[in-house]
Order: sequence, then structure tokens, then C-alpha cells
Amino acid sequence: EVQLVESGGGLVQPGGSLRLSCAASGFTFSSYWMSWVRQAPGKGLEWVANIKQDGSEKYYVDSVKGRFTISRDNAKNSLYLQMNSLRAEDTAVYYCARDRVAAAGGPDWFDPWGQGTLVTVSS
Amino acid sequence: EIVLTQSPATLSLSPGERATLSCRASQSVSSYLAWYQQKPGQAPRLLIYDASNRATGIPARFSGSGSGTDFTLTISSLEPEDFAVYYCQQRSNCPITFGQGTRLEIK
Repeated sequence: EVQLVESGGGLVQPGGSLRLSCAASGFTFSSYWMSWVRQAPGKGLEWVANIKQDGSEKYYVDSVKGRFTISRDNAKNSLYLQMNSLRAEDTAVYYCARDRVAAAGGPDWFDPWGQGTLVTVSS
Repeated sequence: EIVLTQSPATLSLSPGERATLSCRASQSVSSYLAWYQQKPGQAPRLLIYDASNRATGIPARFSGSGSGTDFTLTISSLEPEDFAVYYCQQRSNCPITFGQGTRLEIK
């Protein structure tokens, strides 16, 4: 069974840092593009970043460029999101999502998703 | 950035009725459009990809159509478990973007 389990969320002050992790199991992690998608409380979905199978390509939404870094460790079947200089508007549930298909040359659709981890930025 | 506009914002229907949800893109996305379903407290689930292909395990009552800028998600006969929020998403251009969602509620 494919599983994605996020961790690392919590309460952090504005300007602070947090590192999210996503533990993957049930599939060949190194064969898939992976992504982070977030959802502010009561709001819609916002794609944050994605990363190619070997980590050689990474893309970000403009609002997090220079502050967030996506990375992966294929030996540990894990995806990460390092979040620095956090702002109140970064408050959201952060979902880890796998691409629908393996070995895609470019990003595919998000399937499946993890259950998410809540990040709250507040003083 | 490609903006996706979903309509209506809220749709009130009864079980057994047909639901038609719309997603309009600010510029052509070809067929690079997907639909997701999200229930309260749950992660989104992929329903339709490439505008008209059902994802694995999705019932046949869900169908998608359209290309270019206008897309439709149709649920042919609503089941109680279909009442949820639905999002469209494009991957034609970076950044990947989502519509604001349509809430499908029980009338």
C-alpha cells in the first residue's frame, strides 16, 4: 500500500524556520516526481514546490522562492521542505504528494496525497 | 500565471441528481487539467486527469470533458458520499495552479 506520512509541523514565530518531512513507503520512491501542496485554514489548495526523481530539477511558487527549499533523500525514501523566514501567510496544512506515474519526464498529476501536517506561524 | 475560475462557488443538489461543475482557464491549458475531490478533514483525491481520464478506482458516474480553456466535471447521479469540495488544477504552465473550488452540498 502506498503511504505518505508528513511530520515536522507545529507553531513557529514569524521569521522562524521549520523543516517538514514526508516518509514514503509502498512504492519505488526514486522513480517519482514529488511535490508539496499547502492549504491555508478554510481556503483552497496552493502548489508550493516539486522535485524531480534525482533532485536535479526543483520548482517553486513565487511566494516561497528564496525562503523554502525542497529536497529528497532517495536512500531514506523521504521528501523534505526546509522553510525559513516564515510569515503568517505561510500558515497552512502542508501536504506531500506523489506523481501519478513513475519515470515521468516532467511533473504529472498529484496522486496520492499524504494526510498533511499543520504549520502555524504566529507570535 | 494561469488563473482557473470555478463555477458555481456552491452547488446545492439532492442525491440522484446530476451535477455539472465548471472550470475556466485564463489561457489555454490544452488538456492538462485535472479534478480533485476533498472531503472535510481529508486530503484531496485525484478524480480526473488529462481533462477526461478517470483515475484508478474512480466510479464511472464521474466524467470530465473540455479542452483549451473550458472544462466540465459531471457527476451523473449523486451519491451521498459525493458531497464535498471539488478543485480543478492545471499543469500546462509553471506555476501549477488550482481553482478556488466548488462546494457541492446537499439540498
